[in-house]
Amino acid sequence: KNQVEQSPQSLIILEGKNCTLQCNYTVSPFSNLRWYKQDTGRGPVSLTIMTFSENTKSNGRYTATLDADTKQSSLHITASQLSDSASYICVVSGYNYGQNFVFGPGTRLSVLP
Amino acid sequence: NAGVTQTPKFRILKIGQSMTLQCAQDMNHNYMYWYRQDPGMGLKLIYYSVGAGITDKGEVPNGYNVSRSTTEDFPLRLELAAPSQTSVYFCASSYGGAGELFFGEGSRLTVL
Repeated sequence: KNQVEQSPQSLIILEGKNCTLQCNYTVSPFSNLRWYKQDTGRGPVSLTIMTFSENTKSNGRYTATLDADTKQSSLHITASQLSDSASYICVVSGYNYGQNFVFGPGTRLSVLP
Repeated sequence: NAGVTQTPKFRILKIGQSMTLQCAQDMNHNYMYWYRQDPGMGLKLIYYSVGAGITDKGEVPNGYNVSRSTTEDFPLRLELAAPSQTSVYFCASSYGGAGELFFGEGSRLTVL
């Protein structure tokens, strides 16, 4: 069964610190992996999209890595800010594209002053 | 550009009532989707459309219906609302099936 798992379920860090969120997937075949940020009460917003051939991609203070062999991805947040408090969702797509997006449950990050 | 616009943002229904969640996008995207998000779970696909006049079921279509008469609009119809349909509903669109997903702000539905 195609699944996406994320860890930790929730995380609390102090402002200015770094953190890393994990995503493991069993989706096959694999087309691309995406990370989304979802603020409370809002819709998800795209952070990065990585294809099979990419193993790292950055968007400002967010850096995503992908190991397609082990089917693992991570999202590293550098120098966290209060505005980083949100849920971060890992999404994996198979070859049939949009109708086959598999969403992880998300990691809830809280950044405290 | 407004992006993806959903209405209403909040709604309370009684069991057995019906309603339509509206979704409109102004990005000329051909793909549109309806998802539901339940606590602690990943988003689940209800229905999707690859263009005007074409719709197909997703993972959890029971109790819902959709139509796509124009590129811009993709309404989701709930017939005979049940407590199990209490959820947050998100509409999304993309240019092509592999394109970036753009989400609306969500519609929180409670069925009592």
